[in-house]
Amino acid sequence: QKEVEQNSGPLSVPEGAIASLNCTYSDRGSQSFFWYRQYSGKSPELIMSIYSNGDKEDGRFTAQLNKASQYVSLLIRDSQPSDSATYLCAVNGGMTGTASKLTFGTGTRLQVTL
Amino acid sequence: AAGVIQSPRHLIKEKRETATLKCYPIPRHDTVYWYQQGPGQDPQFLISFYEKMQSDKGSIPDRFSAQQFSDYHSELNMSSLELGDSALYFCASSEASGANVLTFGAGSRLTVL
Repeated sequence: QKEVEQNSGPLSVPEGAIASLNCTYSDRGSQSFFWYRQYSGKSPELIMSIYSNGDKEDGRFTAQLNKASQYVSLLIRDSQPSDSATYLCAVNGGMTGTASKLTFGTGTRLQVTL
Repeated sequence: AAGVIQSPRHLIKEKRETATLKCYPIPRHDTVYWYQQGPGQDPQFLISFYEKMQSDKGSIPDRFSAQQFSDYHSELNMSSLELGDSALYFCASSEASGANVLTFGAGSRLTVL
């Protein structure tokens, strides 16, 4: 079992709809959670970070964290064709203030259709 | 704002050759990470350095080595290259004393023929 699990997709949503991306992780001690967006052949770009249970909103993006269920999600409202990319869930098992690696899920490919 | 700089951006090598990738972190970032991403794969962690010392080691082959220098730049050395080493190699940097958010460079694409 991978440490970070995502549905590979593709997830297809029409323009203007809400896209919901999900991620589960196995290390219950994980402290920090991130969503990165990656266009084909490009580097991962940070979209959201979340550290405590609940919701965190930033523009059209909302990250949700439930540590009891070991579950992280990303909602994208008013989806645009430019949102079409692979979304990588990443988990950092270390405490903030320490140098610790990110473990990535396999990514979910999102397609926003016109 | 300054970003993570990687060089070269593209590299073509023959089997059994050697390659060196360089990474210049964001100023004041003290931690560097190397990731390998094959086609259609998620980034796989190779190795990281904090304050010029190796801080963590992942799935890095014995043929690979890396170090972080006094100016905090890092180099990934790959020897006896194999076809399977063809991938995108990303460097990321972070400031460990903060939230430790990783910022990635544009990547170096290695093709082994």
